[in-house]
Amino acid sequence: SAVISQKPSRDICQRGTSLTIQCQVDSQVTMMFWYRQQPGQSLTLIATANQGSEATYESGFVIDKFPISRPNLTFSTLTVSNMSPEDSSIYLCSALDSALREQYFGPGTRLTVT
Amino acid sequence: AQKITQTQPGMFVQEKEAVTLDCTYDTSDQSYGLFWYKQPSSGEMIFLIYQGSYDEQNATEGRYSLNFQKARKSANLVISASQLGDSAMYFCAMRDELSGGYNKLIFGAGTRLAVHP
Repeated sequence: SAVISQKPSRDICQRGTSLTIQCQVDSQVTMMFWYRQQPGQSLTLIATANQGSEATYESGFVIDKFPISRPNLTFSTLTVSNMSPEDSSIYLCSALDSALREQYFGPGTRLTVT
Repeated sequence: AQKITQTQPGMFVQEKEAVTLDCTYDTSDQSYGLFWYKQPSSGEMIFLIYQGSYDEQNATEGRYSLNFQKARKSANLVISASQLGDSAMYFCAMRDELSGGYNKLIFGAGTRLAVHP
């Protein structure tokens, strides 16, 4: 199984600023994803991070607000730009293993915007 | 469009007893995967069990088993011999597994399980 780490684990940020979240997988994975979980809600997919090309965003999410990078098969970053209190959520990185069956999640980044 | 429904917002069970968490799904795809995840208060998402739509046997992982009824489009999670550490939020999820498409998971609303001593 893939082991996924995220940094930071939590942060408190002021509105209008940006935060970059890092996701590191301990093995090469085919696909990586970024999810958002707003307080008391389920998980919503933000985008699929594509290695070497632009991320694929879900409806309601745009690159200017959530730029994503994936420079190689084990690492990705998500930036939350120009933050507002509505961005306060848990952001989770996820990866598919090479057999494309089980999907694992990182420990999440708990973001509070004041 | 795919949809996951978890109708139990909260459940409780006595320690050492078994509990079933319900999940129904809707899809027009023939090939798909079903997942269950556990989310403790710490926020991490812990993978529990996976069932492929073409798997003939119900998936089992230790105390977890998935009761897969394809005709009814249900994928209930059974936890046997509940432990206090099982108290958490549980999410059912599914994804399309057609070749060539990217595999995104969609989640149900979740069920909060409380295990009582």
